Amino acid sequence: QKEVEQDPGPLSVPEGAIVSLNCTYSNSAFQYFMWYRQYSRKGPELLMYTYSSGNKEDGRFTAQVDKSSKYISLFIRDSQPSDSATYLCAMIKTGANNLFFGTGTRLTVIP
Amino acid sequence: DTAVSQTPKYLVTQMGNDKSIKCEQNLGHDTMYWYKQDSKKFLKIMFSYNNKELIINETVPNRFSPKSPDKAHLNLHINSLELGDSAVYFCASSQGTLASARETQYFGPGTRLLVL
Repeated sequence: QKEVEQDPGPLSVPEGAIVSLNCTYSNSAFQYFMWYRQYSRKGPELLMYTYSSGNKEDGRFTAQVDKSSKYISLFIRDSQPSDSATYLCAMIKTGANNLFFGTGTRLTVIP
Repeated sequence: DTAVSQTPKYLVTQMGNDKSIKCEQNLGHDTMYWYKQDSKKFLKIMFSYNNKELIINETVPNRFSPKSPDKAHLNLHINSLELGDSAVYFCASSQGTLASARETQYFGPGTRLLVL
């Protein structure tokens, strides 16, 4: 069983919809949480970085962490066709030097 | 003005061959990484170097050997290529180590390797 679980989708939504992407993890040693966006045939790029429970907002994106439930979410408001990509959650354990990634959720926003 | 660059972008080769992938970063970062992304998009760390020293060496076959000639370069050499090595290989870099300062990683565009 992978340490980080993510629904691979695919997920299709109409333009303007609110998108919710989620990951769960099993190890409480994970303390730092990230969301990456990966366009087709490109490398992942960092969207959001958070290390505490609660919400962090950046424009149309909100990252939510619930450490008690070992659950993280990324919300995208007013989704745009340009948001169509694969979204990967990633986490770092305390004292570790590598990222653990989820499998990614492929999102398509339909105009 | 590419921050993390990889060559080649595509690599098609026969089983049993030896090949190398090169990575360069112009961000002045101290730490570089190699990741493998399989056909299901799962991204997994392979190696990490900090100031040319190996700090992460995950369970990877000995056929894979990273080399860091300087802080800005991290190359990956693969001996005796196998069908299962087909994947996209991503190089990444960060200013410090992830554990030290919650650093952001910057990824290269990937090298698509197909072993026939």
